Amino acid sequence: QQPVQSPQAVILREGEDAVINCSSSKALYSVHWYRQKHGEAPVFLMILLKGGEQKGHEKISASFNEKKQQSSLYLTASQLSYSGTYFCGTIDQTGANNLFFGTGTRLTVIP
Amino acid sequence: DVKVTQSSRYLVKRTGEKVFLECVQDMDHENMFWYRQDPGLGLRLIYFSYDVKMKEKGDIPEGYSVSREKKERFSLILESASTNQTSMYLCASSLWGARNTEAFFGQGTRLTVV
Repeated sequence: QQPVQSPQAVILREGEDAVINCSSSKALYSVHWYRQKHGEAPVFLMILLKGGEQKGHEKISASFNEKKQQSSLYLTASQLSYSGTYFCGTIDQTGANNLFFGTGTRLTVIP
Repeated sequence: DVKVTQSSRYLVKRTGEKVFLECVQDMDHENMFWYRQDPGLGLRLIYFSYDVKMKEKGDIPEGYSVSREKKERFSLILESASTNQTSMYLCASSLWGARNTEAFFGQGTRLTVV
């Protein structure tokens, strides 16, 4: 039930944009996005609920296409602090609270 | 400040040993999770618990069991440790409505089985 993320890794220069995709084979209720810096615990970024909403804060936003069971994370004008591994987590519509995470996308921002 | 605490950051065990990984949260959360993190494989769910004594299998439960006798504590048990269980183990917790609430993670336990 693990969602699939793409790309596996991406390298950006400061100021460039990136998109990270997450797709599931299950009908989804919510999608969660987390960032993990090296040697640290994953940290919550945002949750998107079914209904196709788009959320964001500062220069990081996300969308959720319920019909396609896909979500995308958008990082604009990237900063060095954005470096880390991004994980999407999914909860399906069966009613269970199992939170499954994807394979991760390693983002490196260079000066 | 919310906290999920895992008992050990690093652990080295021998093949065949019974291993206990402990996780405690102080947020009165109903849901608790155990994940395994391996390079290229992301975070894989081992077990999930939504209440005391309640548990559900995740994607990779083989070789593991769990125990939740108290709401704040969720233990992962490796019945007979094997070298392919060498990994980083992460515990997380969330409120009952995990569908729309964030999960909080512990710092992780890096387990090496020799």
